[in-house]
Amino acid sequence: DTGVSQDPRHKITKRGQNVTFRCDPISEHNRLYWYRQTLGQGPEFLTYFQNEAQLEKSRLLSDRFSAERPKGSFSTLEIQRTEQGDSAMYLCASSPSAGGETQYFGPGTRLLVL
Amino acid sequence: DQQVKQNSPSLSVQEGRISILNCDYTNSMFDYFLWYKKYPAEGPTFLISISSIKDKNEDGRFTVFLNKSAKHLSLHIVPSQPGDSAVYFCAVVQGAQKLVFGQGTRLTINP
Repeated sequence: DTGVSQDPRHKITKRGQNVTFRCDPISEHNRLYWYRQTLGQGPEFLTYFQNEAQLEKSRLLSDRFSAERPKGSFSTLEIQRTEQGDSAMYLCASSPSAGGETQYFGPGTRLLVL
Repeated sequence: DQQVKQNSPSLSVQEGRISILNCDYTNSMFDYFLWYKKYPAEGPTFLISISSIKDKNEDGRFTVFLNKSAKHLSLHIVPSQPGDSAVYFCAVVQGAQKLVFGQGTRLTINP
């Protein structure tokens, strides 16, 4: 029974570069979520997928951010033209459709933009 | 405007004693509540949850209490152990899809 996995665990990039993160949810979990956590705060919702459909996006998800889940399994989160304010922990979570209130989180990808 | 508030940034408890972590929320329509535990450089780990139809849920050393009239949630850990030292987040389910988290409380268990 594998949990949610994320890759990479750490990413250091220069301002203006593009970065892409991957999330593999728990097998057979139809719902997949992305959150962002900055220092001293709780995780903040970014976006949500039901299978391959992106059903909700937060206003935090600017035009530079895009998320996909093309086959309803793994998901990618891309940040274009990174800014120093993008530095954060990016967390992925998944849940089953039935009784799906409990979300199970991956280890996160820590992004540092220099 | 914070919908979920954890007013204590930190809490220190002696090993073996009870730890009580508190959480307040603003919207009486919230109907599912969760507690997560987070170690540094790791993702949050689900601990325990409670539906609004209950006022208490227990799982081993962890008990969550819900006071709907006060819009208050608490997590009791007894007895506290050194491995319980972590940051604890309460969260509510909003719109049946996303979690809204509090700011977290850092719990330190002293030997």
